[in-house]
Amino acid sequence: KAGVTQTPRYLIKTRGQQVTLSCSPISGHRSVSWYQQTPGQGLQFLFEYFSETQRNKGNFPGRFSGRQFSNSRSEMNVSTLELGDSALYLCASTTGGTGYHNEQFFGPGTRLTVL
Amino acid sequence: GENVEQHPSTLSVQEGDSAVIKCTYSDSASNYFPWYKQELGKRPQLIIDIRSNVGEKKDQRIAVTLNKTAKHFSLHITETQPEDSAVYFCAFMEYGNKLVFGAGTILRVKS
Repeated sequence: KAGVTQTPRYLIKTRGQQVTLSCSPISGHRSVSWYQQTPGQGLQFLFEYFSETQRNKGNFPGRFSGRQFSNSRSEMNVSTLELGDSALYLCASTTGGTGYHNEQFFGPGTRLTVL
Repeated sequence: GENVEQHPSTLSVQEGDSAVIKCTYSDSASNYFPWYKQELGKRPQLIIDIRSNVGEKKDQRIAVTLNKTAKHFSLHITETQPEDSAVYFCAFMEYGNKLVFGAGTILRVKS
């Protein structure tokens, strides 16, 4: 099976702009989670989507949003970009369900730089 | 919110020695504890995980132990090799597939 893919891999934006990142999960996986990775804050959970519904959300402002399509592909959007949004954005997919035992597979990430 | 403390933040060992990384978590309801390895510029990759119904799991040179009473879990790497050099993250899983990560440990294996 093909792994998790993310596009684009690199992105440079300026403050105030908005950006959309895309994630395609492993075939058959219905759950997609998004994480932000920065040197200062580490890996932080943004949100999780399962069957097109947001099931869980982390402590990020409303500028961060996402959605999931019927084919399980997911997008996240960041509006009104700030310098502090510069980070590696990772998505992870898993089979889903509501149990605690779901191995997650990460994509290569999108490196966002805000100038 | 829930969190996990990871120690040490950096670890240097000589090739062939063992390395141990320890984590303490706060969510007593968690039942799944994965460890990820992240090399520079690459994605986190699962190297081993443990579920709460076992106390120890081993996979070749890597082992993980879990003490649910004390809310501790540890990663043990034996016979370290230069290719083990990376950042290692412990994590536990909350409801809805949310992973809560430790801050990471930079492991350097000197040859």
